[in-house]
Amino acid sequence: QVQLVESGGGVVQPGRSLRLSCAASGFSFSDYGMHWVRQAPGQGLEWVAIIWYDDSKRYYVDSVKGRFTISRDNSKNKLYLQMNSLRAEDTAVYYCGRDPGSGEGLIDHWGQGILVTVSS
Amino acid sequence: DIQMTQSPSSLSASVGDRVTITCQASQDISNYLNWYRQKPGKAPELLINDALSLQTGVPSRFSGSGSGTDFTFTINSLQPEDLATYYCQQYDNLPPTFGGGTKVEIK
Repeated sequence: QVQLVESGGGVVQPGRSLRLSCAASGFSFSDYGMHWVRQAPGQGLEWVAIIWYDDSKRYYVDSVKGRFTISRDNSKNKLYLQMNSLRAEDTAVYYCGRDPGSGEGLIDHWGQGILVTVSS
Repeated sequence: DIQMTQSPSSLSASVGDRVTITCQASQDISNYLNWYRQKPGKAPELLINDALSLQTGVPSRFSGSGSGTDFTFTINSLQPEDLATYYCQQYDNLPPTFGGGTKVEIK
């Protein structure tokens, strides 16, 4: 079955960097677009970034443009989110998600989430 | 960006009640509208895609309708396990955007 497992979260000081990983299994990873979505404590869902199945396109929400980079390694079935210049408002649970298309915006499977806390 | 306005933000209903949640898009999104459920402490899960297509395994008491800018999500005969927050999401245009969520509580 489809499984997505995030890792790499933790507590980090403002201005520092962190890299999240998402290990995918149970499907042909290279055929699917992938997303990152986050949820601040007690808040709703905020879409963060998308990468096309073949890495031909990447797209970000305005609040992370220039600071976050989404990438993937199809040979390792892994998705990444490099987060630089972190701010307190980036504190959230980060979810990776599978797009059943090449990168259309629908998310049909989600990971369990990983907490990132930005605090001094 | 397309804004998604979801209402109500919370509701309390009894087991067996019919529950309706609405979602309005700031512009025409055709039928590119999904509904997700998030149970407390868990990841979201997709219930309905393209406004009305029920995912495999989702109980038939859940349904969706609408097109253009106005959409409705219905739970017929609310069950105790339906305690959750429900979100609409458009994917007509990037970035995909979510509604603010509707927290459903059981009386």
